[in-house]
Amino acid sequence: EVQLVESGGGLVKSGGSLRLSCAASGFTFSNAWMSWVRQAPGKGLEWVGRIKSKTDGGTTDYVAPVKGRFTISRDDSKNMLYLQMNSLKTEDTAVYYCTTGLAGRWGQGTLVTVSS
Amino acid sequence: DVVMTQSPLSLPVTLGQPASISCGSSQSLVYSDGNTYLNWFQQRPGQSPRRLIYQVSNRDSGVPDRFSGSGSGTDFTLKISRVEAEDVGVYYCMQGTHWPITFGQGTRLEIK
Repeated sequence: EVQLVESGGGLVKSGGSLRLSCAASGFTFSNAWMSWVRQAPGKGLEWVGRIKSKTDGGTTDYVAPVKGRFTISRDDSKNMLYLQMNSLKTEDTAVYYCTTGLAGRWGQGTLVTVSS
Repeated sequence: DVVMTQSPLSLPVTLGQPASISCGSSQSLVYSDGNTYLNWFQQRPGQSPRRLIYQVSNRDSGVPDRFSGSGSGTDFTLKISRVEAEDVGVYYCMQGTHWPITFGQGTRLEIK
């Protein structure tokens, strides 16, 4: 059974940093493109970024609001996905979800709150 | 960016009656490989989103057959043949053809 478990969320001040983790199991992680999607409180869904499998180049793509501040990485030996978030802004406050491929599977999410 | 527009944004439905949600994209969602990467998601209150439909019309494992997807190009539809109480929540369409991947605003389905 596919499982995605996010961790690392919390309260941080504007300008601060946070690293989110996603532990994956139940599928061949190294072959999967992985993504982060976020949802601000009471709002809709927003794709944050993705990382391709190493066989497909391992490259990353980000949406404009986070480009240059967020970095997605992966450790295939540990089946782990990461989201390093720097220079956080209040508008980054959201639940962050780890997803597989084109959002076929989702984790339970982890809440990031950025205070001013 | 490709803009995904859903309608209606609020959908009150009587139990046992059908429901339909439309989703339009600002560009064709046909990819160079010939596939159309249009997905539908359900988010029940307090839960993570769950994918229901991928590539326009393919139901994910475990999704009841009362859910169906159709459409092509820039116009797509999610239909529920007979709404049940467990279908309450917000439904999103999403395009995965063009980067950045984008979602519709969401349609809130409630029981009348």
